Amino acid sequence: QKEVEQNSGPLSVPEGAIASLNCTYSDRGSQSFFWYRQYSGKSPELIMSIYSNGDKEDGRFTAQLNKASQYVSLLIRDSQPSDSATYLCAVISGGYQKVTFGIGTKLQVIP
Amino acid sequence: DAGVIQSPRHEVTEMGQEVTLRCKPISGHNSLFWYRQTMMRGLELLIYFNNNVPIDDSGMPEDRFSAKMPNASFSTLKIQPSEPRDSAVYFCASRLDRLYEQYFGPGTRLTVT
Repeated sequence: QKEVEQNSGPLSVPEGAIASLNCTYSDRGSQSFFWYRQYSGKSPELIMSIYSNGDKEDGRFTAQLNKASQYVSLLIRDSQPSDSATYLCAVISGGYQKVTFGIGTKLQVIP
Repeated sequence: DAGVIQSPRHEVTEMGQEVTLRCKPISGHNSLFWYRQTMMRGLELLIYFNNNVPIDDSGMPEDRFSAKMPNASFSTLKIQPSEPRDSAVYFCASRLDRLYEQYFGPGTRLTVT
């Protein structure tokens, strides 16, 4: 079992819709959770961080964390074509505070 | 702040040659990470330094790979000898504290022919 799992996609949504991206992790002791966006040919860019159970909203983005179920999700409201990218889930866990990334979900927003 | 700086941005070399990738972390950050990204395997952590000390190098593929961080503002990743399967994008990232987010450099695209 991979430590951080994501569906690689592609996930296609129409412009203006809500895109829902999911991530599960295996280490119950994981402490910090991040979502990165990566455009083709570019480096990953942090868009959200979440540390406690519940929802965290930032503009059109909402991160959700459920530690009991070991999943993290990212909702993108009013999706725009410019949101088309690969979204990487990252989890910090372990005594060394190691960061593990998921494979990433490719999102396509169709105009 | 200039962000994480990596050089070179592109490197093309022949199999068997030595390759050195360079990274300057964000000033004040105390952790530095080297990653390799390929389509097949995604983003893989190679090695992680904290306060210039290697903490976890379990991701380093084999002895051909080595990394150093002689001071807080500079790190190198060396591949000797290079092989075609090393072709990938190599990212350096830095972080302020253990639980905080990382910031990535622009990456080095390595092609080994």
